[in-house]
Amino acid sequence: AQSVTQPDIHITVSEGASLELRCNYSYGATPYLFWYVQSPGQGLQLLLKYFSGDTLVQGIKGFEAEFKRSQSSFNLRKPSVHWSDAAEYFCAVKGNSGYSTLTFGKGTMLLVSP
Amino acid sequence: GAGVSQTPSNKVTEKGKYVELRCDPISGHTALYWYRQSLGQGPEFLIYFQGTGAADDSGLPNDRFFAVRPEGSVSTLKIQRTERGDSAVYLCASSPDDITDTQYFGPGTRLTVL
Repeated sequence: AQSVTQPDIHITVSEGASLELRCNYSYGATPYLFWYVQSPGQGLQLLLKYFSGDTLVQGIKGFEAEFKRSQSSFNLRKPSVHWSDAAEYFCAVKGNSGYSTLTFGKGTMLLVSP
Repeated sequence: GAGVSQTPSNKVTEKGKYVELRCDPISGHTALYWYRQSLGQGPEFLIYFQGTGAADDSGLPNDRFFAVRPEGSVSTLKIQRTERGDSAVYLCASSPDDITDTQYFGPGTRLTVL
């Protein structure tokens, strides 16, 4: 069965500093990978996704993520964090053959300090 | 265009009561998903519809939970004999198909069972 681990429950970053949120997955082959962001009272918004090809994917709001097969990781990065980035971030995995459910990690809450 | 909408946004009920939660997917999306998000957790899959039929209901926790999508558009999640442990945010998502396409999430319904 597929699974996702987000080891950091909370992360605090100073505004303007760089950010990396960790995500490790478990799946028997190369999965489809996603990062979603959830702001208070808002639905989940897709930041970026990896299906195949280039292992560095660019997303919205200046985010990027790198798929590393050898480490079973899909870490999310941003070079300079803005106060509006404070939210909860979820990594998710989906099987790549036929129908498969979307499995989420428990999330990482990002706090941005002035 | 309009995104996924869910009503009500909040629902407070008493233990043992019956509740219905509604989801309006993005027009034209054939795949519809229900998730449950408990406090401090990521969304957990409940049920998936392709058109009018429930293609995968393996995530429903027990037979008190049921969902329908009679015309292949709007879906209703029904919970009988609610329990305090059912308190959570119930999320709905839709996508053009179930294989590679991104799931678009609604804002959720916060259910509180007293």
